[in-house]
Amino acid sequence: QKEVEQNSGPLSVPEGAIASLNCTYSDRGSQSFFWYRQYSGKSPELIMFIYSNGDKEDGRFTAQLNKASQYVSLLIRDSQPSDSATYLCAVNPHQFYFGTGTSLTVIP
Amino acid sequence: GAVVSQHPSWVICKSGTSVKIECRSLDFQATTMFWYRQFPKQSLMLMATSNEGSKATYEQGVEKDKFLINHASLTLSTLTVTSAHPEDSSFYICSAPRLGGADTQYFGPGTRLTVL
Repeated sequence: QKEVEQNSGPLSVPEGAIASLNCTYSDRGSQSFFWYRQYSGKSPELIMFIYSNGDKEDGRFTAQLNKASQYVSLLIRDSQPSDSATYLCAVNPHQFYFGTGTSLTVIP
Repeated sequence: GAVVSQHPSWVICKSGTSVKIECRSLDFQATTMFWYRQFPKQSLMLMATSNEGSKATYEQGVEKDKFLINHASLTLSTLTVTSAHPEDSSFYICSAPRLGGADTQYFGPGTRLTVL
């Protein structure tokens, strides 16, 4: 398996705060990067993907990619209790390799 | 709505029996599907890549004779856990890439396997 590392957490933030999730990867050939959310007992669901260096915003979510540093992050603004889940980072040259996930708890 | 389905959603079986799990792409064709396994509180681990019309590609450490994969058509892949044992109890998830878009994987809802 390719190495994808995430801060394992658990991460707790108060409702309304910004949650920051980080991911580093080892394969410099990685071209696309994905963030998934997984609720307990459920399969992952896609939040967003990013291909190019910089920021990509989608609603309350912002993905940030820095290929030189081999680093991708996900920011969740105005965190809600419903955001409480495990967040998986995935990188894809040809297949999907997932990080171990970061457990996020948003405290009401 | 769901674009990838799995059946069954859960199964309980006795040790030594075989269990077949189906993965279907619902409104698109998938020449490739992926099978993952997830143990409690652990991440998804890629087991194998299912290829329509050819043999599956297994990840290192995954026994191909134990986890039989058949990509029967462009919309169906099956994973058979042969001679299942309690240590095979896990959450099995398939995914399929939907081409023409963002090279995104769509995941099935998963199959919870419990081997007694």
